[in-house]
Amino acid sequence: AQSVTQLDSQVPVFEEAPVELRCNYSSSVSVYLFWYVQYPNQGLQLLLKYLSGSTLVKSINGFEAEFNKSQTSFHLRKPSVHISDTAEYFCAVSIGAAGNKLTFGGGTRVLVKP
Amino acid sequence: GAVVSQHPSRVICKSGTSVKIECRSLDFQATTMFWYRQFPKQSLMLMATSNEGSKATYEQGVEKDKFLINHASLTLSTLTVTSAHPEDSSFYICSALKGATGELFFGEGSRLTVL
Repeated sequence: AQSVTQLDSQVPVFEEAPVELRCNYSSSVSVYLFWYVQYPNQGLQLLLKYLSGSTLVKSINGFEAEFNKSQTSFHLRKPSVHISDTAEYFCAVSIGAAGNKLTFGGGTRVLVKP
Repeated sequence: GAVVSQHPSRVICKSGTSVKIECRSLDFQATTMFWYRQFPKQSLMLMATSNEGSKATYEQGVEKDKFLINHASLTLSTLTVTSAHPEDSSFYICSALKGATGELFFGEGSRLTVL
């Protein structure tokens, strides 16, 4: 079985400041890693994913995450946040590349302040 | 991108009644859909995997007679919470697997409140 831990339930951050959301996982088999974002009153959207290859993956809106196998982590970072980044972020793992049977972390609520 | 819609987005019902939540893939066919439950300030927990034309596969600890899942068509899966009780109050989220691309798309969620 897999498990995912997001250490921070809430992260307040000022606009244009950097942010890091921590994610650690546990699994006895190789996993694929995902970050999802949930904006207020909307469904979850895939932000980025790691399947194989380069351990640093990037999204189109400035987020990036690095897969660290030795530390079993997949932390999410953005060097400069916007007000529009206020949302809940979920880290998830899957043993299938399609990410269809996901195990989620508890979520981290990011509140960007002006 | 692909759209998955849930209905209703919010529902309040009395204890003992049954509530049906629909999950529709609006612009693609989904042979597989998933139902999750999210408690306040907690993570999404997979309840069951819904496969079109066959019985749903439930995760350990989820009562299949309590949470009835029907996936009668390639664009619609329904979750019926039978004889709902206050402890069933939660946020229910569905996702649909787009077979052609292997991508997963989520609905907006349905908040159930049982009085």
